[in-house]
Amino acid sequence: NAGVTQTPKFQVLKTGQSMTLQCAQDMNHNSMYWYRQDPGMGLRLIYYSASEGTTDKGEVPNGYNVSRLNKREFSLRLESAAPSQTSVYFCASSEAGWGYGYTFGSGTRLTVV
Amino acid sequence: GENVEQHPSTLSVQEGDSAVIKCTYSDSASNYFPWYKQELGKGPQLIIDIRSNVGEKKDQRIAVTLNKTAKHFSLHITETQPEDSAVYFCAASPQNGNRLAFGKGNQVVVIP
Repeated sequence: NAGVTQTPKFQVLKTGQSMTLQCAQDMNHNSMYWYRQDPGMGLRLIYYSASEGTTDKGEVPNGYNVSRLNKREFSLRLESAAPSQTSVYFCASSEAGWGYGYTFGSGTRLTVV
Repeated sequence: GENVEQHPSTLSVQEGDSAVIKCTYSDSASNYFPWYKQELGKGPQLIIDIRSNVGEKKDQRIAVTLNKTAKHFSLHITETQPEDSAVYFCAASPQNGNRLAFGKGNQVVVIP
């Protein structure tokens, strides 16, 4: 049982380049989330998808777009990367509704130069 | 929305001693409180959680206590070991929501 799988694990982009971070879960979870983690800032929510077919903005959505491709997959796209988007990105999933913990992926370390 | 704060930001303990991390939350409607452990280079992992109808929960060397009146909950690690060194995140979730609000994390260092 793989849980939450993120690809790639590492990426270096030049300013202005675009890329898509991929996330897939095999636990039949309804909700999926994208977070970024920066030193001293904790985990900040970028976008989430409460269920297949829906997406909503989190705390820091600017510069990002998402797609809930199907129940398993939730991708994060950077259309024009900026140095401020240098971060570690985590995808997570959970059962829908209240009272369920999240399962996190192992993260994507992104550097924008 | 819910605001979760963690204290202290860094905690150093001698191996074998106990460690306690406290979190406070702002939304009295929050009813679910998980704790996550993040080891270096890995994603956060759920280690224990508690719901508001319970005051304390234990799992081997870790325990969580909840004080709903004061709106705080704490993680207790007994007989600390070097492998307990990590960043610990607390979170809270209101009953009518499906998103967790996370604290900023505590760095726990266990000194051999």
